[in-house]
Amino acid sequence: DVVMTQTPLSLSVTPGQPASISCKSSQSLLYSDGKTYLCWYLQKPGQSPQLLIYEVSSRFSGVPDRFSGSGSGTDFTLKISRVEAEDVGVYYCMQPIHLPYTFGQGTKLEIK
Amino acid sequence: EVQLVESGGGLVQPGRSLRLSCTASGFTFGDSSMSWFRQAPGKGLDWVGFVRSKAYGGTTEYAASVKGRFTISRDDSKSIAYLQMNSLKTEDTAVYYCTRTQRRADYWGQGTLVTVSS
Repeated sequence: DVVMTQTPLSLSVTPGQPASISCKSSQSLLYSDGKTYLCWYLQKPGQSPQLLIYEVSSRFSGVPDRFSGSGSGTDFTLKISRVEAEDVGVYYCMQPIHLPYTFGQGTKLEIK
Repeated sequence: EVQLVESGGGLVQPGRSLRLSCTASGFTFGDSSMSWFRQAPGKGLDWVGFVRSKAYGGTTEYAASVKGRFTISRDDSKSIAYLQMNSLKTEDTAVYYCTRTQRRADYWGQGTLVTVSS
């Protein structure tokens, strides 16, 4: 199975400050179609996960542009340019190409 | 507006069966692969399996932990995906989510809680 390793596992950020989460996969997420498939999700307290980023850097519909994704191959990063109170929750990376699909352990973001 | 509504969860004894349903609206269900994920209490997210669209054979894939016990199916005429869970174990206790899946799980339902306990 592809192992997804997220760091850090927790973040405490002052509103208006940036935040960054790393995700490393044990295998390349470059697919035969030339695209790299890596997703980021946010699960807010008491809610279902919501898709933020797909294909490494594409923002899903309605996602604020303060969220951005980058990376290639096996190393990926989610950045929040200016954290807001509504961004609290657990962030997960997921790879959707190698079976079984696998997630990172999750990174809990709290507001200072 | 895309909506996915899971139902069928509840309390069940170990070894028994349960069938979950995922009713979809707001998109062309028959063109979409549908996945099930789960989240044990206080834990992270796990993929359970998916069913491909008929255009891709309607075939299924499963996580090793559920293979042979769980079956995913679909009824495109009703826009419903199913998760048939047999021989349930206490470790299957989780909130189960269905999602539309196209190299990303973009829309998620609200989840349905399955508790396996005697």
